Amino acid sequence: DGGITQSPKYLFRKEGQNVTLSCEQNLNHDAMYWYRQDPGQGLRLIYYSQIVNDFQKGDIAEGYSVSREKKESFPLTVTSAQKNPTAFYLCASSPRQAFSSGNTIYFGEGSWLTVV
Amino acid sequence: AQKVTQAQTEISVVEKEDVTLDCVYETRDTTYYLFWYKQPPSGELVFLIRRNSFDEQNEISGRYSWNFQKSTSSFNFTITASQVVDSAVYFCALRAAGNKLTFGGGTRVLVKP
Repeated sequence: DGGITQSPKYLFRKEGQNVTLSCEQNLNHDAMYWYRQDPGQGLRLIYYSQIVNDFQKGDIAEGYSVSREKKESFPLTVTSAQKNPTAFYLCASSPRQAFSSGNTIYFGEGSWLTVV
Repeated sequence: AQKVTQAQTEISVVEKEDVTLDCVYETRDTTYYLFWYKQPPSGELVFLIRRNSFDEQNEISGRYSWNFQKSTSSFNFTITASQVVDSAVYFCALRAAGNKLTFGGGTRVLVKP
């Protein structure tokens, strides 16, 4: 089945540890995104990538890092510098970002990260 | 800068009632796209509709309908004859220059049997 797979679904992190959330897509999409959602809040963009080996900071990139070595993979690392990392993280992808076509962004099922 | 406002944080209705979700947006761009997504309890966001700034036709899809009014910068969403399965959080989103998708805060819809 085509789609976006995020893992793990639930993750617990001790303070001071780095953790990596996995995101894989088999939709052949060029662009990939990471969003953070806090309880009762909307989604905020952390990082996005329009093509392999390239990525840009979103609105709340501090304390996060990403890589885009393969088209289908866009892992997110939550570093110890992120002071309030407990949240729901959503990965998304879309076809090549031709703005004039308004390509729809599709989402994975999300990962819950809790700091203990 | 772009902004999306969903003033209703939560709406509770009884099954078969209609429910309208408000969405007001701000952008300086003349070309932009508006979206609605549904987030069921499972967490993933399900795409419902996309509308571009040059197409003000209203759209109906089954029990869902959307009213786009450029003059008031609104893109409202109505669920007709609501069902329990419609219970979810609904997000309105805007995509303008720069290609980032900006979300509103979401409206939680609770449909009671």
